[in-house]
Amino acid sequence: AQSVAQPEDQVNVAEGNPLTVKCTYSVSGNPYLFWYVQYPNRGLQFLLKYITGDNLVKGSYGFEAEFNKSQTSFHLKKPSALVSDSALYFCAVRDSGRGSTLGRLYFGRGTQLTVWP
Amino acid sequence: DAMVIQNPRYQVTQFGKPVTLSCSQTLNHNVMYWYQQKSSQAPKLLFHYYDKDFNNEADTPDNFQSRRPNTSFCFLDIRSPGLGDAAMYLCATSRDRDGPEQFFGPGTRLTVL
Repeated sequence: AQSVAQPEDQVNVAEGNPLTVKCTYSVSGNPYLFWYVQYPNRGLQFLLKYITGDNLVKGSYGFEAEFNKSQTSFHLKKPSALVSDSALYFCAVRDSGRGSTLGRLYFGRGTQLTVWP
Repeated sequence: DAMVIQNPRYQVTQFGKPVTLSCSQTLNHNVMYWYQQKSSQAPKLLFHYYDKDFNNEADTPDNFQSRRPNTSFCFLDIRSPGLGDAAMYLCATSRDRDGPEQFFGPGTRLTVL
């Protein structure tokens, strides 16, 4: 079964400092991993994905994530946080099984990022 | 720009009064999903359409129904909304089941009085 864990409900960081939002996963088969961001009263916006290839994935708004197979992690990072990065971040893993479950996303519970000015 | 559109953005209904939420897409994607998201929680998949093939999640209440009359449109019908159905409803699409990513609409915030 596929699952995702985001161990931190909240992450607080000062503007200009690096930020990390943690995610670990459990999958059968090859992992397809995603990060989404959600601003208040908005839908989810796609940030980046790992399918195959380089372990360091670059995405939108200066975010990147590092896939670590041995630690089954896919942490989201940004070298210098902005106040406007404050939002709810979801890590997700895609079901790679057969039949109707193929393509389903399994979300973590979300991490609220707050960047202080 | 190709996109996923949800109407209305905010919907208020009364307890027990049927309501329909709308989703349309210009991406020409085969798969459309409906999620329910309660405050600061992860989205919960209700059902999805793979083309015209409807796939219901096992724990989705019978009170929730869906229609997909064509590739572009998908509707979520709540037959008798209860107070517990107040939530954000998100529509998403993917090119195919192995998409790989899903594209989300802005959501409809449902309030039940």
